[in-house]
Amino acid sequence: GQQVMQIPQYQHVQEGEDFTTYCNSSTTLSNIQWYKQRPGGHPVFLIQLVKSGEVKKQKRLTFQFGEAKKNSSLHITATQTTDVGTYFCAGPSGTGGTSYGKLTFGQGTILTVHP
Amino acid sequence: SAVISQKPSRDICQRGTSLTIQCQVDSQVTMMFWYRQQPGQSLTLIATANQGSEATYESGFVIDKFPISRPNLTFSTLTVSNMSPEDSSIYLCSVGRGDYGYTFGSGTRLTVV
Repeated sequence: GQQVMQIPQYQHVQEGEDFTTYCNSSTTLSNIQWYKQRPGGHPVFLIQLVKSGEVKKQKRLTFQFGEAKKNSSLHITATQTTDVGTYFCAGPSGTGGTSYGKLTFGQGTILTVHP
Repeated sequence: SAVISQKPSRDICQRGTSLTIQCQVDSQVTMMFWYRQQPGQSLTLIATANQGSEATYESGFVIDKFPISRPNLTFSTLTVSNMSPEDSSIYLCSVGRGDYGYTFGSGTRLTVV
């Protein structure tokens, strides 16, 4: 079945340093989504990428979708303590999946930021 | 995006008993999804609940252990039956919102003693 691998599992940074997490799917994805889960909270949708090679920015966050639509990355510039949490990528399960169907989540990257 | 009310937020239960978790969505949705998340781990899909039909369970999850109800397009319940300590986890419901991704309930933190 489809697998979504995410690295690294943990990342510890000093406040102000940059952070990147990478996501790789075993199959081509129709889209990829990113979520943030704060400690003790639930996953919150950040963004969806659909097009090959797509790059989207949200303030200090930059999201990329690979040309082959099998990999993605999230980069945070100049981390802040508010960035602490677990970042998950997720892709539709099965072929021809839409945003209404099942999702397969990566293992997540736990980010800690030291002030 | 949708707003989901999930309850209870947490519970401590005796082994052998059952707990029913409820999710109420503020709008009608075709599919609702139930996930399990061990602390510090990723989300594992338990089942997909469609209104008017039987839920579809993922490998490793069975209806006798996790019966699901979906009486209408805004509500669903997940029951964790005959609980054991291995069922201690966070349970989350979720609905899809197209380009706005998926919205999750606030989760139910279950401890089985």
